[in-house]
Amino acid sequence: EAGVTQFPSHSVIEKGQTVTLRCDPISGHDNLYWYRRVMGKEIKFLLHFVKESKQDESGMPNNRFLAERTGGTYSTLKVQPAELEDSGVYFCASSQPGGLYEQYFGPGTRLTVT
Amino acid sequence: LAKTTQPISMDSYEGQEVNITCSHNNIATNDYITWYQQFPSQGPRFIIQGYKTKVTNEVASLFIPADRKSSTLSLPRVSLSDTAVYYCLVNSGSARQLTFGSGTQLTVLP
Repeated sequence: EAGVTQFPSHSVIEKGQTVTLRCDPISGHDNLYWYRRVMGKEIKFLLHFVKESKQDESGMPNNRFLAERTGGTYSTLKVQPAELEDSGVYFCASSQPGGLYEQYFGPGTRLTVT
Repeated sequence: LAKTTQPISMDSYEGQEVNITCSHNNIATNDYITWYQQFPSQGPRFIIQGYKTKVTNEVASLFIPADRKSSTLSLPRVSLSDTAVYYCLVNSGSARQLTFGSGTQLTVLP
């Protein structure tokens, strides 16, 4: 069974540019989550999709971040425009409809904003 | 959300049993305790989850006393490949998001 995949693995962009991160969850997993770790801090929740609907986006830091999950399959997280403080590792996770806290994480995308 | 406290780091030797204790004094009635493991350059990986007493799987055991104010993750006979950060999480039964703390860096020495 293929795991959660994320693309790219590493992205380096300049302040003010736009970056789009992609996450492909495990097939059949309705729940999809985005987390991030910035500046060596703790991993923080960003948002949660159930299929194509945003269930909880309370962790999104501001309106420069836009997450989508078209058709309830893969998801994208766009940062526009990127700021220096957005640098960090962005993780995607997915879980089965009945999975209680057993989330499967991808390897993460390391974003560096210069 | 219940706050968790666990040691910042621990060292062990190959073949030993490792116990990592986490305190969560203000855990709520409907909260579950979950442990994740994270290797460098990888995402966290689910290890075990419990509500009370003892839970065991092929990887670890989780001990939760009756008052549920703490929990202990037990790793039997660790190997070098068990070197990782271990996170103790306490999550409400109604919330889906995971709340990570600082974790415990376990280093297994030869």
